[in-house]
This record gives sequence, structure tokens and C-alpha cells, in this order.
Amino acid sequence: EPEVTQTPSHQVTQMGQEVILRCVPISNHLYFYWYRQILGQKVEFLVSFYNNEISEKSEIFDDQFSVERPDGSNFTLKIRSTKLEDSAMYFCASRKGGGYYEQYFGPGTRLTVT
Amino acid sequence: KQEVTQIPAALSVPEGENLVLNCSFTDSAIYNLQWFRQDPGKGLTSLLLIQSSQREQTSGRLNASLDKSSGRSTLYIAASQPGDSATYLCAVVDMGGGSNYKLTFGKGTLLTVNP
Repeated sequence: EPEVTQTPSHQVTQMGQEVILRCVPISNHLYFYWYRQILGQKVEFLVSFYNNEISEKSEIFDDQFSVERPDGSNFTLKIRSTKLEDSAMYFCASRKGGGYYEQYFGPGTRLTVT
Repeated sequence: KQEVTQIPAALSVPEGENLVLNCSFTDSAIYNLQWFRQDPGKGLTSLLLIQSSQREQTSGRLNASLDKSSGRSTLYIAASQPGDSATYLCAVVDMGGGSNYKLTFGKGTLLTVNP
């Protein structure tokens, strides 16, 4: 069964460093997402991406964050200058079509900023 | 703005018991509702998807119901087992969210099934 994959599973970085989190969504899906979950808190929406552009971003998704779909398979989240409060689990997700379709999640990348 | 609430926040039951987890949402104009399971430190496993036009979905020992007009869903787990111990999350896709179809999550119910 097709699945969303994410790499790395765990990333440790120092404050101020840039990180890139990578995702490979399911191949025939059209909508792509990043969510994050700070330890003990809700899963929060960060950004959605459709037709090669951002369709919505949350207030968390400030200028330090960016997303790219550089080719037909990868979807990346870049944090330019990490802060301690960026430590969280980051989930990539994709869906095949509009609102009635199921959203599929990757296993997550645990980001630890020291 | 959509808000999703899950009650109770934590539940501890003996093995074999049937149990119900509750989810409520403030805006009833939704496309669908998904129930997920999350093991500690792990990802999200989709359990059931209920479309807005449906009343319930079943998978094995799990049954999820949806009452869209009242903004409520329940997840019923029959004959609970220790392996069911996890956090259960409820999430909805708003119709008012434009064409991004993002999920809004509740905080989850932490279930512990004791042998």
C-alpha cells in the first residue's frame, strides 16, 4: 500500500542552524501539508501546498519557514534559523483530492533544537 | 474558527471493557472527520474516516459515529485489549477552509487498558 515517507526520523540541531525536513508524498496525490506537534500539545497545521504553491499557512509559519516541491516526488520544509521552540514532531501529509478524501500522514521527523 | 474538543482527556479501563471516546467540534460544516491513533513518540495511524453524509463507520472492534448537526462524534471500542493503549485523536476538515482542506485536531484522549 502506498505511504508517505519522511526523512530523517530524528534530527538534532543547534539553535540558529538551518534544517531541511524531507517528505515523499503518495505519488498520485495533489495536496500536501506540514503539521507539527510540540510534546504534550495538539497537532497543529503549518502549511498546505497545491498546484505548486502555498494555498494556506498558519500564523506559526513565519518568514523562517519555507516549503518546496523541487521535483515530482519530494516535498520539503526548511527552517532557516532554528529556535528552541521549534523542537517538535513534524508530520508531512498528503491527500488525493478535495475535502472528502482521506489525509495520509508520514511517520514524522522529531526535531530537537539545542 | 473551528475548535475540536475531546473528552475525557484520559481514560483507564480494565481489559475486556467496552468504551466510548467523545469528540465535539464547533462548526458543523465539515467535509469529513477522521479518527487517529498515536502511540507514544510515534506518528498518526488513521483508524476511520467518516464522510459528512455518513452516520457511522466500522472497522473490526472500532465503530465511529457522526452527528454533524450537533457537532459530535464518538469512537466506540469493543472488548478493549492492552494493545489498544494509545492516544486517540479526532480531526475534522472544514468546509469553510477554502481549498486547502486542512485538518483541525483535538488534543486527544489517552487510553490505558489494564491487563
